[in-house]
Amino acid sequence: NAGVTQTPKFRILKIGQSMTLQCAQDMNHNYMYWYRQDPGMGLKLIYYSVGAGITDKGEVPNGYNVSRSTTEDFPLRLELAAPSQTSVYFCASTETSAAIYEQYFGPGTRLTVT
Amino acid sequence: GENVEQHPSTLSVQEGDSAVIKCTYSDSASNYFPWYKQELGKRPQLIIDIRSNVGEKKDQRIAVTLNKTAKHFSLHITETQPEDSAVYFCAASHNYGQNFVFGPGTRLSVLP
Repeated sequence: NAGVTQTPKFRILKIGQSMTLQCAQDMNHNYMYWYRQDPGMGLKLIYYSVGAGITDKGEVPNGYNVSRSTTEDFPLRLELAAPSQTSVYFCASTETSAAIYEQYFGPGTRLTVT
Repeated sequence: GENVEQHPSTLSVQEGDSAVIKCTYSDSASNYFPWYKQELGKRPQLIIDIRSNVGEKKDQRIAVTLNKTAKHFSLHITETQPEDSAVYFCAASHNYGQNFVFGPGTRLSVLP
């Protein structure tokens, strides 16, 4: 299994540009999450999904959108990028049906907005 | 909403000593409390977790305790080793896996 994969690994955006961060998991996990981690800080939940077609806001959803059309994929869309969105973005997934709630994280996407 | 505080923000211990990191949470509905370790430039990895119906859990040198009344939980690492040096995050979640809120992290340094 590849686990949780994220693309791209690095990206530089100009202010006002848009992009989609890709996340995929091949573990058939039902829950998926997007976090951002600013330098020297903790993880902040942006959005999460408990299954295909269902998404919900986390702590810091403004400026982002998500969709979950399949179990495997959970892309994060940034519209009108701003310098405040410079961060490392982690995608994660969990399988809850077996009552094991460990989140498996992807390798992260380092995004710089200038 | 949920708020998770974590102390201390940095911790230095001598190799072989114990380390304790404490977290408090605000929402009594939270029922799942994991601890993650993050090495520099790497992704977070789960090291131990505890559910609200359990008071203590141990896995070799690592243990977690939960006090639901006081709304706090702690990570205990015994016989620390240099490879324990990392940033440790606590988190709280509703409904066993929904809407995680993480603490700000503790940078642990184990000095040889």
